[in-house]
Amino acid sequence: EAGVAQSPRYKIIEKRQSVAFWCNPISGHATLYWYQQILGQGPKLLIQFQNNGVVDDSQLPKDRFSAERLKGVDSTLKIQPAKLEDSAVYLCASPSPDSGANVLTFGAGSRLTVL
Amino acid sequence: GESVGLHLPTLSVQEGDNSIINCAYSNSASDYFIWYKQESGKGPQFIIDIRSNMDKRQGQRVTVLLNKTVKHLSLQIAATQPGDSAVYFCADFPGFQKLVFGTGTRLLVSP
Repeated sequence: EAGVAQSPRYKIIEKRQSVAFWCNPISGHATLYWYQQILGQGPKLLIQFQNNGVVDDSQLPKDRFSAERLKGVDSTLKIQPAKLEDSAVYLCASPSPDSGANVLTFGAGSRLTVL
Repeated sequence: GESVGLHLPTLSVQEGDNSIINCAYSNSASDYFIWYKQESGKGPQFIIDIRSNMDKRQGQRVTVLLNKTVKHLSLQIAATQPGDSAVYFCADFPGFQKLVFGTGTRLLVSP
């Protein structure tokens, strides 16, 4: 099966700069998740999409984070302006077609370092 | 509120030993749990899941036990191998809507 593709794998920026991450989920799946994983912690949900629409963005810092999913396929997550505490790995996930909607397949993540 | 936490941050075992990773949860309404394995530089990978109407489920070399009375689940890995070295997360999936991860336990397997 096709996996979850993410880019870039690594990004280093200075605080107050902007950054964007891209995700292409498992082909054909309507649901897409963005998670933030700070070093030493478990992933935390930022936003959940169902097709083009947002299902849950309650933990997304909307003053600086934004996400969109045009055409219900790939998605971008943007941070502007970045803060030091945004240093983390940003993971994209979608349900596994073989295991049902309950099991999420994650991409390798985009590691962000904010200096 | 929801929380899924692990008792030990690091577990060191010898190759060939059995490993037991524990997890506590607080949401009484939780009805579905998943264990993920995360290797360095990779995203979490599904290992095994269990529904609340079960108390045990077995996979290949792995067993998950669920004790709803004390809100505790564990992941047992038989004959641990160096390739099992990773961080293991239990996750709660209440209502199959939002996957809530715990902090994670790092498993170190020495030869």
